[in-house]
Amino acid sequence: AQSVTQLGSHVSVSEGALVLLRCNYSSSVPPYLFWYVQYPNQGLQLLLKYTTGATLVKGINGFEAEFKKSETSFHLTKPSAHMSDAAEYFCAVSGNDDKIIFGKGTRLHILP
Amino acid sequence: NAGVTQTPKFRILKIGQSMTLQCTQDMNHNYMYWYRQDPGMGLKLIYYSVGAGITDKGEVPNGYNVSRSTTEDFPLRLELAAPSQTSVYFCASSQSSTGELFFGEGSRLTVL
Repeated sequence: AQSVTQLGSHVSVSEGALVLLRCNYSSSVPPYLFWYVQYPNQGLQLLLKYTTGATLVKGINGFEAEFKKSETSFHLTKPSAHMSDAAEYFCAVSGNDDKIIFGKGTRLHILP
Repeated sequence: NAGVTQTPKFRILKIGQSMTLQCTQDMNHNYMYWYRQDPGMGLKLIYYSVGAGITDKGEVPNGYNVSRSTTEDFPLRLELAAPSQTSVYFCASSQSSTGELFFGEGSRLTVL
């Protein structure tokens, strides 16, 4: 069975600073990995996903993530934070059983 | 462009009552999922379906039932509601377990 661990339930960064949100996964098969964002009182929307191929994945709104098999990680980064990035971010993993499992989420706060 | 539609958006139940959360999608997706979201706990998978007539348990299926008689609809039934079922429920659909999940707007359920 697969699982996801997101380190840090809350992360605060200054506007213009680097954003780094951490995600580690566990999977007995090659995983498919996702990052979703949730704005207040809304459903989730996809930021980016890794299936196969290039390990550095670019997503919407300037976000990217790198799949590192040796570290079982899929951390999300953005070079320069914007106030509009304040939201909750979820890492998710899918294996060969059709389940899509989410982490507990990280709330990103942007400081002016 | 309806996408995934959930009803009702809000509901208050008394302990022991039953109800059905409705979910319908118009994207002809085979895969559909029900999640519950609780503060600090992320999204937990309740049930999922990979096509009409096929359903399977997720991480937290106890107290819930589902059916999938058509591709479009995936209702979630709560029997004998309990305070522990107070949560926000999200329905989502996808082309596959490796594809993007499209979420509904959520249904906020309170059991008193």
